[in-house]
Amino acid sequence: AQSVTQLDSQVPVFEEAPVELRCNYSSSVSVYLFWYVQYPNQGLQLLLKYLSGSTLVESINGFEAEFNKSQTSFHLRKPSVHISDTAEYFCAVSDITDKLIFGTGTRLQVFP
Amino acid sequence: DTEVTQTPKHLVMGMTNKKSLKCEQHMGHRAMYWYKQKAKKPPELMFVYSYEKLSINESVPSRFSPECPNSSLLNLHLHALQPEDSALYLCASSQDAQTGMNTEAFFGQGTRLTVV
Repeated sequence: AQSVTQLDSQVPVFEEAPVELRCNYSSSVSVYLFWYVQYPNQGLQLLLKYLSGSTLVESINGFEAEFNKSQTSFHLRKPSVHISDTAEYFCAVSDITDKLIFGTGTRLQVFP
Repeated sequence: DTEVTQTPKHLVMGMTNKKSLKCEQHMGHRAMYWYKQKAKKPPELMFVYSYEKLSINESVPSRFSPECPNSSLLNLHLHALQPEDSALYLCASSQDAQTGMNTEAFFGQGTRLTVV
């Protein structure tokens, strides 16, 4: 069975500082990995995904994540955060069974 | 059109009521999902439909009854709910994973359900 662990429930950071949100997964089969962002009272929006190929994936708003198979990790990074990045971030894993499983989420709070 | 549309956005219902949540997508996706999300918690998978057939039921109580009338629509029928069922109900869709081309799930904005 698959599972996702997000060790940090909250990450406070000042604006323009770098940030890393950690995600580890476990699965016995090949997986697909995702980061979703959820703003208050809204649905989830895909931030970026790893399906295959290059292990470093980037989003259009400056986030990036690196798939590390040996460490079973898919950490999310941004070199300089903005106030508008304040949100809940969920790491998720799926395989060919259509089941998308979420981690417990990390609340990113950006302070001015 | 890359949207998943859910109606209603908000719903308040009594424990004896019967109501339905609706979800629609026009992206040609063949997998559709219902998730339940409590406050400050991750979404929890409830049901998965693949090619209009129920493929996964995560041991959801029978007071929740899913229905997939066609490839674009997904309903969740609610009956005799409890106050603890109050939550954000999210619908999602994705390209069919069985072809080996699994892509991301697109989520709707959710229905905020309150059971009184």
